[in-house]
Amino acid sequence: AQKITQTQPGMFVQEKEAVTLDCTYDTSDPSYGLFWYKQPSSGEMIFLIYQGSYDQQNATEGRYSLNFQKARKSANLVISASQLGDSAMYFCAMRENQAGTALIFGKGTTLSVSS
Amino acid sequence: EPEVTQTPSHQVTQMGQEVILRCVPISNHLYFYWYRQILGQKVEFLVSFYNNEISEKSEIFDDQFSVERPDGSNFTLKIRSTKLEDSAMYFCASSVSGGSRELFFGEGSRLTVL
Repeated sequence: AQKITQTQPGMFVQEKEAVTLDCTYDTSDPSYGLFWYKQPSSGEMIFLIYQGSYDQQNATEGRYSLNFQKARKSANLVISASQLGDSAMYFCAMRENQAGTALIFGKGTTLSVSS
Repeated sequence: EPEVTQTPSHQVTQMGQEVILRCVPISNHLYFYWYRQILGQKVEFLVSFYNNEISEKSEIFDDQFSVERPDGSNFTLKIRSTKLEDSAMYFCASSVSGGSRELFFGEGSRLTVL
């Protein structure tokens, strides 16, 4: 079974609009962390945002926020005011703290921002 | 801003050759990792390293692979007798702790096996 599911292979958005990238996860570990990474065409992996399973507030980092719905096991990334430079692949990942330190990645969503 | 650096950025090798990929993690980080991304696919965990030994490894990380920290700064991934299917982007990453809220990746080393 997939531990991290990203159901949107591609998303398209206009500049300055907000976009939500979906991520659902599957774990029985009560303690886990959720990560989002951006991978532009150049290939590097850029850390965006982190949400811990016990965090009371949804994580925010600048234009990025994580819509964490624990009961639904979803951790959607919201990008506000999209910019052309946001065009990239976005990966959701999870670390199950009882399982160790490895991140399990989803298959990614390609975001294309147009002017 | 401190960053994880990887060399080489791209290496082309013949099948059966040995390859060493090098990484310099962020200086105060204690946990080091290697991940792999086959072209167009998701990122996969290979191995984590702490206190000079492997702390976890995936089923991908078989006897063909090894890691070491030969000095205080470098962290290397050795692939013995490369196969065509080893062609991928290899990412090194580091974190302050195993439960860190931030895991920093290098820019990757692209390995092409012919």
